[in-house]
Amino acid sequence: DTGVSQNPRHKITKRGQNVTFRCDPISEHNRLYWYRQTLGQGPEFLTYFQNEAQLEKSRLLSDRFSAERPKGSFSTLEIQRTEQGDSAMYLCASSLSPSSSTDTQYFGPGTRLTVL
Amino acid sequence: TQLLEQSPQFLSIQEGENLTVYCNSSSVFSSLQWYRQEPGEGPVLLVTVVTGGEVKKLKRLTFQFGDARKDSSLHITAAQPGDTGLYLCAGDTTSGTYKYIFGTGTRLKVLA
Repeated sequence: DTGVSQNPRHKITKRGQNVTFRCDPISEHNRLYWYRQTLGQGPEFLTYFQNEAQLEKSRLLSDRFSAERPKGSFSTLEIQRTEQGDSAMYLCASSLSPSSSTDTQYFGPGTRLTVL
Repeated sequence: TQLLEQSPQFLSIQEGENLTVYCNSSSVFSSLQWYRQEPGEGPVLLVTVVTGGEVKKLKRLTFQFGDARKDSSLHITAAQPGDTGLYLCAGDTTSGTYKYIFGTGTRLKVLA
């Protein structure tokens, strides 16, 4: 399977602990995105990378959140000192740019985080 | 702030019925995507529309992009239980960063 993969698929942690998620994009894709989705809502943009450069961060991404894409391939999203409000599905997407006038993003299966 | 509103939020219909889902905004989008999402999974891309007035068909699904590129619709003909899921529209902002703005979603349930 050559789609976007995310690990772990599920993570349960206690409030105050740190967690790290990994995303492996489609191999030739140079753009990588992180989104957060809470129950009953559509995904909300968090941040995106073009190759290894982090080009934009949402205001949703507090100081406790950090994302990296050190070699322009896989990416990690770390949440420090987790809070119950961080419980959500964290989605990763990738795209190839420029491929056309559009930038179609392909999503991974997500990591479901539950903070107790 | 660019927002995408979808309607209806919930829809429960019998197998064989037709339905239309709407995605509306006051903002212009470079392109608009429709995704379907199953519980516990990531969104799966159905279609991308780019040109105002564009119509695309995917088997029993018909997608239309509004002339002004501010709205879109998804029409399903003869719905089947396999069509059950969360339908999301996502707009490609015109800011040049290509971050998507997602709609609120339409949860469809097709009863056998």
